[in-house]
Amino acid sequence: EAGVTQFPSHSVIEKGQTVTLRCDPISGHDNLYWYRRVMGKEIKFLLHFVKESKQDESGMPNNRFLAERTGGTYSTLKVQPAELEDSGVYFCASSQRGPGQGNEQYFGPGTRLTVT
Amino acid sequence: DQQVKQNSPSLSVQEGRISILNCDYTNSMFDYFLWYKKYPAEGPTFLISISSIKDKNEDGRFTVFLNKSAKHLSLHIVPSQPGDSAVYFCAAYNYGQNFVFGPGTRLSVLP
Repeated sequence: EAGVTQFPSHSVIEKGQTVTLRCDPISGHDNLYWYRRVMGKEIKFLLHFVKESKQDESGMPNNRFLAERTGGTYSTLKVQPAELEDSGVYFCASSQRGPGQGNEQYFGPGTRLTVT
Repeated sequence: DQQVKQNSPSLSVQEGRISILNCDYTNSMFDYFLWYKKYPAEGPTFLISISSIKDKNEDGRFTVFLNKSAKHLSLHIVPSQPGDSAVYFCAAYNYGQNFVFGPGTRLSVLP
């Protein structure tokens, strides 16, 4: 069974540009999550999809970030326009069950975003 | 304000000895705790978990202990192996809420 995949693995963009990150969850996992780790600090929750619906987007830092999951399969996270502080590693995770149901989330390898 | 803390950024242990990784939390509403292991250039991998109704959970060489009164949990690895060298993240959540991760502890197991 394929795990969670993310594309690209690394992206270097200039401040003000746009970047779109993609996540393909494990097949059959309705729950999809985005996280970010900045400068080796804690992994911070960004948002949670259940199928195509945003269940919780309380962690999204501001309106420059837009996540979508059309059709309830893969998800994209767009940053527009990118700022220097957006640099970090963006992880995607998926799970069969949602929070509160003993779920273990399976993480992708992450996309390292560098904004210069 | 960090709700999940891992105060040791790094830890070195000799192969075959016990590794003890610690985690403290501030939110008494957390119901479930997990440990993830992360190798370089990879995503975190689930290792072991414990519900707040238990004080110990064991899986092979890995044991997690939970002390609710102290809001403290620890991961014990016995015996430690070089392949255990990785960054270990403690995570917690309250039922219905999403994961809160600690900053991680880098474990180095020396041969």
